[in-house]
Amino acid sequence: KQEVTQIPAALSVPEGENLVLNCSFTDSAIYNLQWFRQDPGKGLTSLLLIQSSQREQTSGRLNASLDKSSGRSTLYIAASQPGDSATYLCAVQIVYNFNKFYFGSGTKLNVKP
Amino acid sequence: SAVISQKPSRDICQRGTSLTIQCQVDSQVTMMFWYRQQPGQSLTLIATANQGSEATYESGFVIDKFPISRPNLTFSTLTVSNLSPEDSSIYLCSVAGGREQFFGPGTRLTVL
Repeated sequence: KQEVTQIPAALSVPEGENLVLNCSFTDSAIYNLQWFRQDPGKGLTSLLLIQSSQREQTSGRLNASLDKSSGRSTLYIAASQPGDSATYLCAVQIVYNFNKFYFGSGTKLNVKP
Repeated sequence: SAVISQKPSRDICQRGTSLTIQCQVDSQVTMMFWYRQQPGQSLTLIATANQGSEATYESGFVIDKFPISRPNLTFSTLTVSNLSPEDSSIYLCSVAGGREQFFGPGTRLTVL
């Protein structure tokens, strides 16, 4: 069974810092890895999708990398802003069952002004 | 991408009653997914809903407690039956568009 872990569980940084969120998974036979943002009490917003054949994806100040062999992905946020404060979740889709997405427990980010 | 709406956005219900949550997608999709997110927790898949067939439930979730309807390719409902305070959660529907997964805004349920 695929297990997805996110470290740290919570992170508090001053505005302007660059930061890295980590996601690890136990089964490297993944189809996709997707990073989401969730604001308190809200649904999930897709940030970046990395296909299994890709090593990274970028969108604005966000960069996500994927290393299947080591079972890890990182989400890099450059020049953090208070508006980045949210919970960040990673989700893995496996090749054996495209319909199943395995979620990490999330990293709660607080960017202080 | 897919645009997903859910109704209601939030509700407060009494113990023992039921709540039906509606999920509408702006395009036809084969599969829709229902998730539960308990306070402070990550998402747990409840069931996968195919149009024209019975929903497939994950371990720990049963049809009597979480009946699902999927009458067409753009709509689904999830009912949470015989409510107890432990059912207080955010319920989210999602669809898979190609490789990517899209989520509705969620329904926040509080059971008193």
